[in-house]
Amino acid sequence: DTGVSQDPRHKITKRGQNVTFRCDPISEHNRLYWYRQTLGQGPEFLTYFQNEAQLEKSRLLSDRFSAERPKGSFSTLEIQRTEQGDSAMYLCASSTDNQPQHFGDGTRLSIL
Amino acid sequence: AQKVTQAQTEISVVEKEDVTLDCVYETRDTTYYLFWYKQPPSGELVFLIRRNSFDEQNEISGRYSWNFQKSTSSFNFTITASQVVDSAVYFCALSEADTGTASKLTFGTGTRLQVTL
Repeated sequence: DTGVSQDPRHKITKRGQNVTFRCDPISEHNRLYWYRQTLGQGPEFLTYFQNEAQLEKSRLLSDRFSAERPKGSFSTLEIQRTEQGDSAMYLCASSTDNQPQHFGDGTRLSIL
Repeated sequence: AQKVTQAQTEISVVEKEDVTLDCVYETRDTTYYLFWYKQPPSGELVFLIRRNSFDEQNEISGRYSWNFQKSTSSFNFTITASQVVDSAVYFCALSEADTGTASKLTFGTGTRLQVTL
């Protein structure tokens, strides 16, 4: 049973650059979530997909952030014009209806 | 709004000691789920347990046990005979239980457990 896969594991970029992360959920999981975790804090919800539909977005998700799940399988999270405050671990989770979420290893973003 | 409070930032114990991690929550929902996740140094969040708000029975799984008390809005986690491999950050979390909702998780700030020899 393959778990949630995230790529890349680490991303270092200069301020102002765009970055894109990918998440492959557990096969047949219809729900996919993105969270952000900063140092010393718990993960914070960013957005949620049910199949290909993005059904909820946190106010943490500014206009520079966009997420897609085009075929209801993998998802991408793009950050445009990165800022220092975007430095964090970005976590992806997936589940089926009414089941616990299972998380990937995360993508650690560092902004220089 | 939902809120989870883990007042213990860091706990250090010697191997074989018992340790209890506290979790207090706030929610206006009548039905909800409570969770514990473990985050080892590798970073992946590992699911440990989920409890439904209607089920206040305590649960034991090996060295792990959970005490859910609705009257005090608490969901505490006890590790018996701790081991070095238990060293990690532990997160308590809360979500709505309605399947029509996103069921997004609201996490506490975590408790870092350090188990030494």
